[in-house]
Amino acid sequence: NAGVMQNPRHLVRRRGQEARLRCSPMKGHSHVYWYRQLPEEGLKFMVYLQKENIIDESGMPKERFSAEFPKEGPSILRIQQVVRGDSAAYFCASSTRTDEKLFFGSGTQLSVL
Amino acid sequence: GENVEQHPSTLSVQEGDSAVIKCTYSDSASNYFPWYKQELGKGPQLIIDIRSNVGEKKDQRIAVTLNKTAKHFSLHITETQPEDSAVYFCAASIGSGYSTLTFGKGTMLLVSP
Repeated sequence: NAGVMQNPRHLVRRRGQEARLRCSPMKGHSHVYWYRQLPEEGLKFMVYLQKENIIDESGMPKERFSAEFPKEGPSILRIQQVVRGDSAAYFCASSTRTDEKLFFGSGTQLSVL
Repeated sequence: GENVEQHPSTLSVQEGDSAVIKCTYSDSASNYFPWYKQELGKGPQLIIDIRSNVGEKKDQRIAVTLNKTAKHFSLHITETQPEDSAVYFCAASIGSGYSTLTFGKGTMLLVSP
């Protein structure tokens, strides 16, 4: 049973470009969460999605950031017009419908030049 | 919102010693408290969790204790081994059917042979 898969592992973008981060949850998991981790900081909640629905986006900046989890395919975290402050590790986690246990992927390290 | 404080930020022990990491939380409604281990370049891995209806839980060399009155919980690792070296994160959530975890800032544990 494959774990949570994230790609790419590393993503380099120049200021103003778009970043797309992908996450495939564990098999049988229908809930996806995105977290951001800055150096020497804990993980900060961004958004929680179920298939085709955003349930809680209270941790996601209102501008430039968006997330989706379509009926088919991976969840996508999209950052438009990236700035240097967006440089961080972005982790995706998944869970089953009724369990709070989160299983994390290996993350995408975004570097903005 | 919830706030989780974690101490110490770094912890160095000799192989075979015990290690204790402590966390406090602010929201008395929180009822789910997981601990994650993060190795370099990897995503956080769930190692143990506890719910508010339980005061202590043990899994081999790892134990977690919870004091709801004082709003603090601790991770205890006995007979530490070099492979225990990693960053450990505590977290808390209200557990309202899904899990928007609030994380502590992490403890870097170094176990010297």
